[in-house]
Amino acid sequence: EAGVAQSPRYKIIEKRQSVAFWCNPISGHATLYWYQQILGQGPKLLIQFQNNGVVDDSQLPKDRFSAERLKGVDSTLKIQPAKLEDSAVYLCASSLLPGLAGGRNIQYFGAGTRLSVL
Amino acid sequence: AQSVTQLDSQVPVFEEAPVELRCNYSSSVSVYLFWYVQYPNQGLQLLLKYLSGSTLVKGINGFEAEFNKSQTSFHLRKPSVHISDTAEYFCAVSDLNSGGYQKVTFGIGTKLQVIP
Repeated sequence: EAGVAQSPRYKIIEKRQSVAFWCNPISGHATLYWYQQILGQGPKLLIQFQNNGVVDDSQLPKDRFSAERLKGVDSTLKIQPAKLEDSAVYLCASSLLPGLAGGRNIQYFGAGTRLSVL
Repeated sequence: AQSVTQLDSQVPVFEEAPVELRCNYSSSVSVYLFWYVQYPNQGLQLLLKYLSGSTLVKGINGFEAEFNKSQTSFHLRKPSVHISDTAEYFCAVSDLNSGGYQKVTFGIGTKLQVIP
């Protein structure tokens, strides 16, 4: 089966510009996650969708970041305006089971989008 | 709140030598533990997981990990490493957030450098 698809793979922008990332999860996966991975750190959850609803966005900087999953399938993450500290790899992951599966949910990751903000 | 501590940021090891990557966790309720591997310019790939049952868990590529509840540890081991094992390894713990949904917390990662 096809894995989690992300695009673009790389993006270079100047600060204060806007940028958008796209993710297509594995077919049939109910849960979709966006993570931010800053160099030298582990992935940090930004937002989690259950179908097309948000179940956790507690660590999303809502003044500049937004995300949507309108039809419960693919998703976009937007940054507007970007700051230097947003330079990171943005990972998308999906899992088959609903998030209420008691922590047993296995997440499958895409290759990520590497963002450089100059 | 749950957390994960990976004690070593980098681990150099000679090819065919054994290796142990250390991970300690804290979690308030039921614990589900994972190890992921990330090769350069790729996403994370699941190596192994502990959900319940036997405390010794075997994963892909010859890796295994042991869940130790009393020491709150989940160390990753391989008896003989290969050059292709050079990658970054992330320990993760899964718990439930306040809304009852799964929340996964990752450690900062350990870079394994296999020396020929």
